[in-house]
Amino acid sequence: GAVVSQHPSWVICKSGTSVKIECRSLDFQATTMFWYRQFPKQSLMLMATSNEGSKATYEQGVEKDKFLINHASLTLSTLTVTSAHPEDSSFYICSATVGANNEQFFGPGTRLTVL
Amino acid sequence: AQRVTQPEKLLSVFKGAPVELKCNYSYSGSPELFWYVQYSRQRLQLLLRHISRESIKGFTADLNKGETSFHLKKPFAQEEDSAMYYCALDSYGKLTFGQGTILTVHP
Repeated sequence: GAVVSQHPSWVICKSGTSVKIECRSLDFQATTMFWYRQFPKQSLMLMATSNEGSKATYEQGVEKDKFLINHASLTLSTLTVTSAHPEDSSFYICSATVGANNEQFFGPGTRLTVL
Repeated sequence: AQRVTQPEKLLSVFKGAPVELKCNYSYSGSPELFWYVQYSRQRLQLLLRHISRESIKGFTADLNKGETSFHLKKPFAQEEDSAMYYCALDSYGKLTFGQGTILTVHP
C-alpha cells in the first residue's frame, strides 16, 4: 500500500515553455503532499507543502509564480514549472502523507531537462 | 533553523563488517528523526524512525540528544545494503534531509 506515482518520469522541453508534473497517491487519500527538488549528487530540498483545496506553502527562496502547485483532490497534486529555463533542469520528487502518521511516501521522481 | 549533517558522502565496507553511517542534527525543539534509503533505480523509502525504536533489515539507530546524533548502525553489512542513505529531521511535518551517504558493501 501507500504508493505514490509521478508523471511523466522524464521530460525535455524548450526554454520558455511550461511543464506540468503530476503526483498521485494511488491507493490512499493523501493528507498532505510535498514537492522536492534534487540537484545531481545533492540532497532533496523541500520546495512546497500542499494540502487539498488550499494554497500551497512555499519554502523560502522558492518562487511561487515560477512553480505553480495545484492540489485539486486528495489524490492528485500538480507542479507546473512556468517559462522554464535551463537552470530549472533538475529532478523533482513528490511525497505524500496519510492521516496523523507523518511518514512520507515518495514518488519515483521526474527528470526535467530544459534546453 | 534546523540542519542535518551527514559527514560522509561515501562509505565502503566489506561484507560481514560492521557499518555506521553518521548523522548529526541541530534543532531547537524535540527532534523526530528518520533514516530513508534509496536503492539503485528505486524511489526513496523509509528505513526507520527513532520513535519506533525498532530494527529494520538489521539496522538500528539511537537518538543521542547530548551529542545531537542519530547514527545508523548494522553489525554485519550485506551486499544488498549498498544504497544511498539519507538522514532526515521532521519539523511540523516537513522533512529536512542530510546530504546523503552512499554505502557500498563489497563482497
